[in-house]
Amino acid sequence: AQSVTQPDIHITVSEGASLELRCNYSYGATPYLFWYVQSPGQGLQLLLKYFSGDTLVQGIKGFEAEFKRSQSSFNLRKPSVHWSDAAEYFCAVGPYSSASKIIFGSGTRLSIRP
Amino acid sequence: DVKVTQSSRYLVKRTGEKVFLECVQDMDHENMFWYRQDPGLGLRLIYFSYDVKMKEKGDIPEGYSVSREKKERFSLILESASTNQTSMYLCASSFRGADSGNTIYFGEGSWLTVV
Repeated sequence: AQSVTQPDIHITVSEGASLELRCNYSYGATPYLFWYVQSPGQGLQLLLKYFSGDTLVQGIKGFEAEFKRSQSSFNLRKPSVHWSDAAEYFCAVGPYSSASKIIFGSGTRLSIRP
Repeated sequence: DVKVTQSSRYLVKRTGEKVFLECVQDMDHENMFWYRQDPGLGLRLIYFSYDVKMKEKGDIPEGYSVSREKKERFSLILESASTNQTSMYLCASSFRGADSGNTIYFGEGSWLTVV
């Protein structure tokens, strides 16, 4: 069965500290992988996506993610977080061909300690 | 910038009422979606439309219907609202086709409370 797991429900990091949000997936074919961010009271915004090529993907707002096929992971990282990064982050996986088949993880809420 | 607009941000409805959630996108996207978002469950697809008057059930279609009479507009209908439909509803859109990159653009959400 296809699934996406975000093992951390809530993470708190200090402003300026580095961040890593975990995402593991189970998918039968070559996956298309995404990270979205949802600021409080807002819809979701795409941070980055990966289908093929370089396994380290750069996104907006200084985020990057690394695809590790052997670990079925697509973890999101940022070297130094800002208070404005406080939000909920969703990992998603789907086929290359159809957006309606994309499935989302349950999300990780990020809080920033001043 | 792509704009997906959900006309109602906050609604309070009574059990048994018929509820309409409206969504408009301005990017000529073929695909439109309605998701439901609940804490700890992430986003779950209710219905998907890939063209005018075309629709497909998602993972949780029970208790919902949709209407797409124009390409830019996609409506979610709760025929008889129930308290377990209290949730955040997200409309979204995307281009169709494998080379679209499958990027989905989301509206800001509609918070529905059924009392």
